[in-house]
Amino acid sequence: DAGVTQSPTHLIKTRGQQVTLRCSPKSGHDTVSWYQQALGQGPQFIFQYYEEEERQRGNFPDRFSGHQFPNYSSELNVNALLLGDSALYLCASSRDIVDTIYFGEGSWLTVV
Amino acid sequence: SQKIEQNSEALNIQEGKTATLTCNYTNYSPAYLQWYRQDPGRGPVFLLLIRENEKEKRKERLKVTFDTTLKQSLFHITASQPADSATYLCALASSGNTPLVFGKGTRLSVIA
Repeated sequence: DAGVTQSPTHLIKTRGQQVTLRCSPKSGHDTVSWYQQALGQGPQFIFQYYEEEERQRGNFPDRFSGHQFPNYSSELNVNALLLGDSALYLCASSRDIVDTIYFGEGSWLTVV
Repeated sequence: SQKIEQNSEALNIQEGKTATLTCNYTNYSPAYLQWYRQDPGRGPVFLLLIRENEKEKRKERLKVTFDTTLKQSLFHITASQPADSATYLCALASSGNTPLVFGKGTRLSVIA
């Protein structure tokens, strides 16, 4: 049983560019959440998707957007990249109402 | 504002001893609390979940306590091994659908 898979694992972008990160949830999971983790910090909640709708959103600007597909996979898009967007982006999946959340290995984004 | 503090940034302990990590929170009424392990460059791995009506939970060499009066959770690793060296994250949520709020983590080093 594959866990949460994310792609790409590493990428480098230039300020002002746009990036798309992808996530496939664990089998049987229908809820996908995205987190940003800066170096030395805990993960910060970006948003959560359920039934292809954004259900909750953290304190992130509109430059951060997402999508969930009918097969529950998800994308995170970040526009107009800033140096401060450099971080590990984590996707987490769960079953609705169930408490345990499983994380992928993350996508390392470096903005130069 | 809501705050989660993991009291030690780093903790060094001798192999075979019990490691105790602390998680304190303020302005929060969590329904449950989770502990994760994170190795460098990897995503967090779920370890244990404890609910607000539970005092203690155990899993192999791991033990978690949850005191909602003190607003504190303690995470114990007994008979610690060098392989236990990692960053341990505490995370809270107020219900099954709400996003996890993480502490910054404690970096544990078990010295042989």
